[in-house]
Amino acid sequence: DQQVKQNSPSLSVQEGRISILNCDYTNSMFDYFLWYKKYPAEGPTFLISISSIKDKNEDGRFTVFLNKSAKHLSLHIVPSQPGDSAVYFCAAPALFGANNLFFGTGTRLTVIP
Amino acid sequence: DAGVIQSPRHEVTEMGQEVTLRCKPISGHNSLFWYRQTMMRGLELLIYFNNNVPIDDSGMPEDRFSAKMPNASFSTLKIQPSEPRDSAVYFCASSLINTIYFGEGSWLTVV
Repeated sequence: DQQVKQNSPSLSVQEGRISILNCDYTNSMFDYFLWYKKYPAEGPTFLISISSIKDKNEDGRFTVFLNKSAKHLSLHIVPSQPGDSAVYFCAAPALFGANNLFFGTGTRLTVIP
Repeated sequence: DAGVIQSPRHEVTEMGQEVTLRCKPISGHNSLFWYRQTMMRGLELLIYFNNNVPIDDSGMPEDRFSAKMPNASFSTLKIQPSEPRDSAVYFCASSLINTIYFGEGSWLTVV
């Protein structure tokens, strides 16, 4: 069972517009979430994170929003640029001292020039 | 700083052959992970080590897969015998605390 779910496998957005990538999780005890970005033929790279004590974390064009009651987080990219075209994974650390991450299946973002 | 280093980057092998993937984690990181990426399941954790000790191998598909970490700077993932359904990208990753850093992946094709 996927504990972290990304229900949209792909998203296309015009350059300059907002990209919104969504992620849902099932375990209310998750207390930290991460977004990773992956270009073709490369490994995923860390993009931005948020702790469950916050509902928003912003880093430049990237903002992550967390809605704990809905068990939902989203990544907003404003303005979107062609270089943002990649696969985005959301992730949450496993609980009870484990160090691994549970990943969603990813959303492929295409930013159209 | 050197990141996670994986080899080989690409491997094409015939069904039934043994495949060994290698990984050098980031120096100082105490956790090492092997992930597999497929279209259907995204990034799935195969196994992870903490301080060189296997902690969770429940993601290893079957007995054909094995992983070792003989020391803090080296790990292997072995598939013997390999099958076409093993074709995927295999990522090694390491971490110290929450954030995991990935290597560039080993692209395996079994024909």
